Amino acid sequence: GENVEQHPSTLSVQEGDSAVIKCTYSDSASNYFPWYKQELGKGPQLIIDIRSNVGEKKDQRIAVTLNKTAKHFSLHITETQPEDSAVYFCAALFSGAGSYQLTFGKGTKLSVIP
Amino acid sequence: DTGVSQNPRHKITKRGQNVTFRCDPISEHNRLYWYRQTLGQGPEFLTYFQNEAQLEKSRLLSDRFSAERPKGSFSTLEIQRTEQGDSAMYLCASSAQGNTEAFFGQGTRLTVV
Repeated sequence: GENVEQHPSTLSVQEGDSAVIKCTYSDSASNYFPWYKQELGKGPQLIIDIRSNVGEKKDQRIAVTLNKTAKHFSLHITETQPEDSAVYFCAALFSGAGSYQLTFGKGTKLSVIP
Repeated sequence: DTGVSQNPRHKITKRGQNVTFRCDPISEHNRLYWYRQTLGQGPEFLTYFQNEAQLEKSRLLSDRFSAERPKGSFSTLEIQRTEQGDSAMYLCASSAQGNTEAFFGQGTRLTVV
């Protein structure tokens, strides 16, 4: 089955700096890669996703890049703000065989220091 | 609020008791998922419904766990004879036909004492 590794497990940045979180996946058939933000006591919130036919996607201060050859994808947050502090999860999915089972990384706790 | 709704938000139960959780998906989402999340880990897939049909089950879903979605709308997850190892956040998510974007509810935190 799919295995997703996520690094780093914790990340502290100064407000206004950029943050980068990296994930690798094992199943070359995976074709959908979402990122979720989870605040304390809440469910995961979908913030951005990318499909395997795209190399990069951007939404305001958030961007995701995908390298299919190396089987890794990254989340980039620019101009970080204190409200960006949360746990971020990457995930991978192969949706071609009728399966919709997301495999998640272990998460990155991002702290933005004012 | 048109998001995924889960009840209860918190449940404390004694070991050996049965518990049932409810999930109401986003309206018109025909796919519904259950995940389990333990402290410091990412969510782990448990099971998935398309309309009322349960199409996929993880090996994590032991025979003490049962999930239903009888009318293709809300779903219930029951855990029988709870064990301390069942303590976790149980998350429900839903997605629309032909769409892989899954939206999660706030979860039900289960504590087995």
